[in-house]
Amino acid sequence: QSVVTQPPSASGTPGQRVTISCSGSSSNIGTYAVNWYQLLPGTAPKLLIYSGNQRPSGVPDRFSGSKSGTSATLAISGLQSEDEADYYCAAWDDRLNGWVFGGGTKLTVL
Amino acid sequence: QVQLVQSGAEVRKPGASVKLSCKASGFTFTSYYMHWVRQAPGQGLEWMGVINPTGGGTTYAQKFQGRVTMTVDTSTTTVYMDLSSLRSDDTAVYYCARGSGGSYKVGSVGYWGQGTLVTVSS
Repeated sequence: QSVVTQPPSASGTPGQRVTISCSGSSSNIGTYAVNWYQLLPGTAPKLLIYSGNQRPSGVPDRFSGSKSGTSATLAISGLQSEDEADYYCAAWDDRLNGWVFGGGTKLTVL
Repeated sequence: QVQLVQSGAEVRKPGASVKLSCKASGFTFTSYYMHWVRQAPGQGLEWMGVINPTGGGTTYAQKFQGRVTMTVDTSTTTVYMDLSSLRSDDTAVYYCARGSGGSYKVGSVGYWGQGTLVTVSS
């Protein structure tokens, strides 16, 4: 059971905007910026968002991140079939003295 | 270009140890923290720890303290992760990843190795 909570699933149709939430506490998201990762089967995690709202080069601007208090959100606009994947949030946690990952959200493109 | 090349798959019996390697290239090795993260079959990502290639200072996840040792060889730009007292639930894909240059608590952890499958079975 992770200290950072994500919904297990999310879905949307092509072209739609979907959001994935990540809920934590003052010891993690409330203090530190959040990273978001995309996992496709059999491949290494891909960084989508770091430091809350920064995109690495090559990541489309359809992906965006935000934070409010102890929660963070990943938004994907103009949903595409290739966005179907697992998504994880991560942040440093002062109480655990380590990075914590959310449990992951499986995104289905209908 | 940044590359992290990990060692090949390993099979161990319960109670044994395994030492994985991750060779870095394409960047100034001593300028970036290096993390280890694992993913068990059907499970999520789990952070194991981080090492500072400058000096070798480490921070381990509480869950793995006493069982994990991360080391670095700056002459070969390679980081190592040694996990001992293996159990069946240590069966997972283990990844090394390059962290940020400024802090191991924030920033980009954006370059990942290809992963190493470790299977623990009697």
